[in-house]
Amino acid sequence: KQEVTQIPAALSVPEGENLVLNCSFTDSAIYNLQWFRQDPGKGLTSLLLIQSSQREQTSGRLNASLDKSSGRSTLYIAASQPGDSATYLCAVGSGAGSYQLTFGKGTKLSVIP
Amino acid sequence: NAGVTQTPKFRVLKTGQSMTLLCAQDMNHEYMYWYRQDPGMGLRLIHYSVGEGTTAKGEVPDGYNVSRLKKQNFLLGLESAAPSQTSVYFCASTLQGAYTEAFFGQGTRLTVV
Repeated sequence: KQEVTQIPAALSVPEGENLVLNCSFTDSAIYNLQWFRQDPGKGLTSLLLIQSSQREQTSGRLNASLDKSSGRSTLYIAASQPGDSATYLCAVGSGAGSYQLTFGKGTKLSVIP
Repeated sequence: NAGVTQTPKFRVLKTGQSMTLLCAQDMNHEYMYWYRQDPGMGLRLIHYSVGEGTTAKGEVPDGYNVSRLKKQNFLLGLESAAPSQTSVYFCASTLQGAYTEAFFGQGTRLTVV
């Protein structure tokens, strides 16, 4: 059974700092990995989708990398801003039937002005 | 383009009452999902659908039923609500299962007293 772990559970950084969020998964046979953002009381917003054949994806100040063989992904946020404060979740697509997304429990990020 | 819309956004039920949550998507997606999100538990899959007229059980299906009579709609029913079903419910859709980007609704906060 696929398991997804995100460490740390919470992170507080000063504004302007570059930061890295971590995601690890137990079964390397994945189709893809997605990073989501969730604001309090809101739904999940997709940030980046990395296919299993890719090593990284970039969108603005965000860069996500994928090392399938080691079961790891990182989300790099450059020049953090208070508006980046949210919970970040990763999810992997894997398993027979190709329907299943397995989520980590998220990292709650606070960017202090 | 509304994406994924959930109705209602908030609801309070008494134990034993029934209700239906509606999810509608306008992206012509084949796959639709219902998740529940609880503190410390992350997102857990309740039921999913791989196309109009199909439904299947996820990780935590007990106490819930679903229907997908139209491609754009996915209904989640609680026949006899229990306090353990107090949660935030999210609907999601994808074009091709776990291979493609997932889009989420804004959530329904349900309290069962």
